Amino acid sequence: AQSVTQLGSHVSVSEGALVLLRCNYSSSVPPYLFWYVQYPNQGLQLLLKYTTGATLVKGINGFEAEFKKSETSFHLTKPSAHMSDAAEYFCAVIPTNTGNQFYFGTGTSLTVIP
Amino acid sequence: GAGVSQTPSNKVTEKGKYVELRCDPISGHTALYWYRQSLGQGPEFLIYFQGTGAADDSGLPNDRFFAVRPEGSVSTLKIQRTERGDSAVYLCASSSTGSDTQYFGPGTRLTVL
Repeated sequence: AQSVTQLGSHVSVSEGALVLLRCNYSSSVPPYLFWYVQYPNQGLQLLLKYTTGATLVKGINGFEAEFKKSETSFHLTKPSAHMSDAAEYFCAVIPTNTGNQFYFGTGTSLTVIP
Repeated sequence: GAGVSQTPSNKVTEKGKYVELRCDPISGHTALYWYRQSLGQGPEFLIYFQGTGAADDSGLPNDRFFAVRPEGSVSTLKIQRTERGDSAVYLCASSSTGSDTQYFGPGTRLTVL
């Protein structure tokens, strides 16, 4: 069965500091990988995704993520945190061989300290 | 253009009652998904429609849950004999043919008292 693990349910960083949110997946076949952000009382918004090609993908709001097959990871980073980055972040996968449904991690709540 | 919309935004009901949750996908999107997000958890897949038919309903927890999409656009998630454990945010998403990107609505927060 597919699973997604997000290490750290809560992460706090200072404004201007590096943001690193971790995501690991379990699959013998690399899935399609996504990061979504959820602001309070809003729907999930796509930050970035990896399907094929370059393993370093850039998304909106200065975020990027790198697919590392050897580590089964897809960690999300941003060089300098902004107050507006405070939100819940979800890593998700779609198995490439079984269908279209997402499997989500449990989420990481990011707090940015001024 | 307009995104995915869901109504109502909040629904409070009593245990044992019947509820309907509505999803309006992005115009032209053929695929529609329902997910359930419990407190402190990531969304969990319930059902996936391609057009009017349910292509995958393996995530529906039991036969109290049912969903329809009669004209291939709007979808309704129906829950019979609600239980307190059904309390969650129900999310709807849609995508266009051949796309792996799903666009999510704001969700319906269901509270069963």
